[in-house]
Amino acid sequence: AQKITQTQPGMFVQEKEAVTLDCTYDTSDPSYGLFWYKQPSSGEMIFLIYQGSYDQQNATEGRYSLNFQKARKSANLVISASQLGDSAMYFCAMRGIRSSNTGKLIFGQGTTLQVKP
Amino acid sequence: EADIYQTPRYLVIGTGKKITLECSQTMGHDKMYWYQQDPGMELHLIHYSYGVNSTEKGDLSSESTVSRIRTEHFPLTLESARPSHTSQYLCASSIGPPKGGYTFGSGTRLTVV
Repeated sequence: AQKITQTQPGMFVQEKEAVTLDCTYDTSDPSYGLFWYKQPSSGEMIFLIYQGSYDQQNATEGRYSLNFQKARKSANLVISASQLGDSAMYFCAMRGIRSSNTGKLIFGQGTTLQVKP
Repeated sequence: EADIYQTPRYLVIGTGKKITLECSQTMGHDKMYWYQQDPGMELHLIHYSYGVNSTEKGDLSSESTVSRIRTEHFPLTLESARPSHTSQYLCASSIGPPKGGYTFGSGTRLTVV
């Protein structure tokens, strides 16, 4: 079975500083994808970044980077130079590639990030 | 500009009413999904579809039903709404693995009184 764990229910960060949101996962699939989504208070889900399990380099997208440690089964999100607009809930998610054709995305519990001015 | 649309955005309805939450996408994706999310909580998959005339129940048991008669349309129906159905419902579509993440709609916030 696949499982995503986010152990930080809430985080605070000072504006312009970097913050790391933790994510660990468990899967028996040899090949999988890891995703991070942002959910502002308005409720929509915004895709941030993707990491494939066989990607040689850690993924980066602007101020977002993914610290992927395969042996430790962790996929932490790093947000650099935090902005007030980064205040939101963040979800880590995983999708097995070899497993059933549904491609279901499994989500963690989420971390609420608050950026302080 | 959104490529997946959910209506209504907010809905307050009385107990016992039948409701249909609409979800349409213009990307031609075969795979579509419905998630249920209580405020501040994780997302739970309640229904998914591989394509036209294909629907399956998700990991979380739900009294809702879905249909997929057209590729672009994946409505969710509650025959008799109850206060326990109060939640946010998020629709998503995907091109599938490996890098096929989900594109989500804006969600429907349902309140049953």
